[in-house]
Amino acid sequence: GAGVSQSPRYKVTKRGQDVTLRCDPISSHATLYWYQQALGQGPEFLTYFNYEAQPDKSGLPSDRFSAERPEGSISTLTIQRTEQRDSAMYRCASSLDGGLDTQYFGPGTRLTVL
Amino acid sequence: KNQVEQSPQSLIILEGKNCTLQCNYTVSPFSNLRWYKQDTGRGPVSLTIMTFSENTKSNGRYTATLDADTKQSSLHITASQLSDSASYICVVSANSGNTPLVFGKGTRLSVIA
Repeated sequence: GAGVSQSPRYKVTKRGQDVTLRCDPISSHATLYWYQQALGQGPEFLTYFNYEAQPDKSGLPSDRFSAERPEGSISTLTIQRTEQRDSAMYRCASSLDGGLDTQYFGPGTRLTVL
Repeated sequence: KNQVEQSPQSLIILEGKNCTLQCNYTVSPFSNLRWYKQDTGRGPVSLTIMTFSENTKSNGRYTATLDADTKQSSLHITASQLSDSASYICVVSANSGNTPLVFGKGTRLSVIA
């Protein structure tokens, strides 16, 4: 595709509900990253995929967070039993082949947990 | 603990003036350092990427420097334009260049007429 897309753009949910966020990377890109960005802060790394493999998920803040990329293209980030502190912008980025390749960021999903 | 600190936190300059943003890091082992520009409400956009052996890299009116000995980097913006108003984020990568990526909190630059 022309760029990284994410959906939904905005999500409001009640505490305790599960949410799933979607990222559609640039079609030729092998590597996909998930970040969490609090208001006024820089992004914080959550996890990344190289095709369908997930070499590093050290940034996931708890076991309520999980991510998948089963076919090496579209990825989902799921937050179970959401808490108010999960409210943030969730950004996805993709790069051609990781390493020093430029990461292209999507528009993000703004999650608000009431 | 791997950290990236940026200064100043915010900056206001007149259109046409130059400015320099600072980034200090404690990420180890060091692989590469990136500067991103993030417009309000948008995702970060990459400006430069520098590895250990690079001291300076330019991208138009943006020039980044890196001193791997002192673990400092700067981003110099020449002849600022109103469209330069954004947050500038310093990102440092350890190991192979993938992760972990450590992001600074950014410097908020406002260019005024």
